Amino acid sequence: EIVMTQSPATLSVSPGERATLSCRASQSVSSNLAWYQQKPGQAPRLLIYGASTRATGIPARFSGSGSGTEFTLTITSLHSEDFAVYYCQQYNIWPPWTFGQGTKVEIK
Amino acid sequence: QLQLQESGPGLVKPSETLSLTCTVSGGSIGSSSYYWGWIRQPPGKGLECIGNIYYSGSTYYNPSLKSRVTISVDTSKNQFSLKLSSVTAADTAVYYCARHRSSGWSPYYFDYWGQGTLVTVSS
Repeated sequence: EIVMTQSPATLSVSPGERATLSCRASQSVSSNLAWYQQKPGQAPRLLIYGASTRATGIPARFSGSGSGTEFTLTITSLHSEDFAVYYCQQYNIWPPWTFGQGTKVEIK
Repeated sequence: QLQLQESGPGLVKPSETLSLTCTVSGGSIGSSSYYWGWIRQPPGKGLECIGNIYYSGSTYYNPSLKSRVTISVDTSKNQFSLKLSSVTAADTAVYYCARHRSSGWSPYYFDYWGQGTLVTVSS
């Protein structure tokens, strides 16, 4: 099973600032990585797939990069609605499809 | 717009079987580009993929749950279902159904999700 590790666990950012979230895989997942956003009481929402392709309707301030074992989700100029928990998920070697433990982006 | 809706009991007794159904609307469960999956999230914790199913009935299960899980599909009702047997308190979670975008026989990422339903295992 591929283990996905996200860092940091919590990121404190001021509105308008940039947030950089990391996701590391225990072995290479190529570019088969997705990012999700989850707000309290809601289901996760797909943000990014293929490591860097934004899903339909996702604002351009969200961008993904990386390949192999190291990935980054960047949110430029944080909006109030961006404060949430973010998860990465690999789909290179399965089953199971595995998620990271999440990074909470909170208001500083 | 595709919508998924979970339904089933919110309370299950230990050692019994958890049963949930996901009803898909706004699209056909028989589409060739998708599997249909179940994911769960214990309170305050992360996400765990339970397994998925293709409209033909082909399934993939998480090896850690495989001995207790059955996922089935009913294309005539545009529904798929989850059964998890011999539940314990550790199975208490919000259970989501989701569309699992695939390429051929390879399921990839989850692009549409249901709102989730909390299932509590308690006597």
